Amino acid sequence: DAKTTQPPSMDCAEGRAANLPCNHSTISGNEYVYWYRQIHSQGPQYIIHGLKNNETNEMASLIITEDRKSSTLILPHATLRDTAVYYCIVGYDYKLSFGAGTTVTVRA
Amino acid sequence: GAGVSQSPRYKVAKRGQDVALRCDPISGHVSLFWYQQALGQGPEFLTYFQNEAQLDKSGLPSDRFFAERPEGSVSTLKIQRTQQEDSAVYLCASSLASGGYNEQFFGPGTRLTVL
Repeated sequence: DAKTTQPPSMDCAEGRAANLPCNHSTISGNEYVYWYRQIHSQGPQYIIHGLKNNETNEMASLIITEDRKSSTLILPHATLRDTAVYYCIVGYDYKLSFGAGTTVTVRA
Repeated sequence: GAGVSQSPRYKVAKRGQDVALRCDPISGHVSLFWYQQALGQGPEFLTYFQNEAQLDKSGLPSDRFFAERPEGSVSTLKIQRTQQEDSAVYLCASSLASGGYNEQFFGPGTRLTVL
């Protein structure tokens, strides 16, 4: 059973912020929200993760709703190199369940 | 620094052949994972090692799949009597620590094509 729901695809303009939604209405109290991305022909790459609070690092920001049933990954200034499949994953241990992800295409 | 490396990058096998896929994790990483990624799908977990101990092999699809990490560093995923449905990209990942969640660093994968 899928633990997360993501739109299959989205486009964004280069230089603009990209906001990637994820629904995880059945998340448990001890489960984290992780984001990975996979650029074509490469292995997945970790982006960010969080439990309750919003998180920010050099790559992105993660906004988690107060009820934790959904989250948004924000790429503040998308570049062409951000074109990839983005995976929202919910869990608490090593076993990552990737799902189908969102294919993000950044256009010039 | 050196990341996770995998070899070969591409492998073509005839149905029924045995194959061995190698993973060199990041030096010092305790945990090692194998995933299988079918075309157009996300990676699916196969197995997990903590040092040389295989703690979880719940994702291995059949007894034709076997993984080992005898010295707690390099790992080999072996597939016996390959079938066409085994065609996929096989990804290896490693993480520094064990227990709970730790960032996983992925290799580029081995693309296996079974004819």
